Amino acid sequence: KQEVTQIPAALSVPEGENLVLNCSFTDSAIYNLQWFRQDPGKGLTSLLLIQSSQREQTSGRLNASLDKSSGRSTLYIAASQPGDSATYLCAVKGDYKLSFGAGTTVTVRA
Amino acid sequence: DAGVIQSPRHEVTEMGQEVTLRCKPISGHNSLFWYRQTMMRGLELLIYFNNNVPIDDSGMPEDRFSAKMPNASFSTLKIQPSEPRDSAVYFCASSLAGSDTQYFGPGTRLTVL
Repeated sequence: KQEVTQIPAALSVPEGENLVLNCSFTDSAIYNLQWFRQDPGKGLTSLLLIQSSQREQTSGRLNASLDKSSGRSTLYIAASQPGDSATYLCAVKGDYKLSFGAGTTVTVRA
Repeated sequence: DAGVIQSPRHEVTEMGQEVTLRCKPISGHNSLFWYRQTMMRGLELLIYFNNNVPIDDSGMPEDRFSAKMPNASFSTLKIQPSEPRDSAVYFCASSLAGSDTQYFGPGTRLTVL
């Protein structure tokens, strides 16, 4: 069974600082890895998707890397803003099923 | 597009009552997923439908849970009888066949007293 771990569970930084969120998974036989954002009381929004053959994906201030052989992914958020405050979840896909980590709750202080 | 629609957004019920959660996927999407999110267990897949047919229900916790998809635009998740440990946020998500992106609804927060 795929196990997905996210460290740290919570993170508080001042505005402008870069964020580094970590995700690890136990089974490297994945199709892809996604990073999601979840705001309180809301559903999940997909931020970045990295196919298993890719090493990284970028979208604006967000960059995600994937090292499939070591079972790790990192989400970098540059120049954080208060609007980045949310919970970030990573999910790995095997066949059709997504296995989620517990998430990292980020607070960006103005 | 309105996105994935779930109702109700909040449900408070008493132990032993029947609870029905509803989901309308994005038009044209043919895959539908029901998830449950709790503090203890995180986000778990309960059941997956493809073209209205249940493909994998191995995540359904027990016989008290059932899900149906009578047509491409509607699905229900029913709990009968409900128990306090069923309290959670239930999400519905849909996707297009062959696509890796799942679109999540806003969730239904269920509280069983």
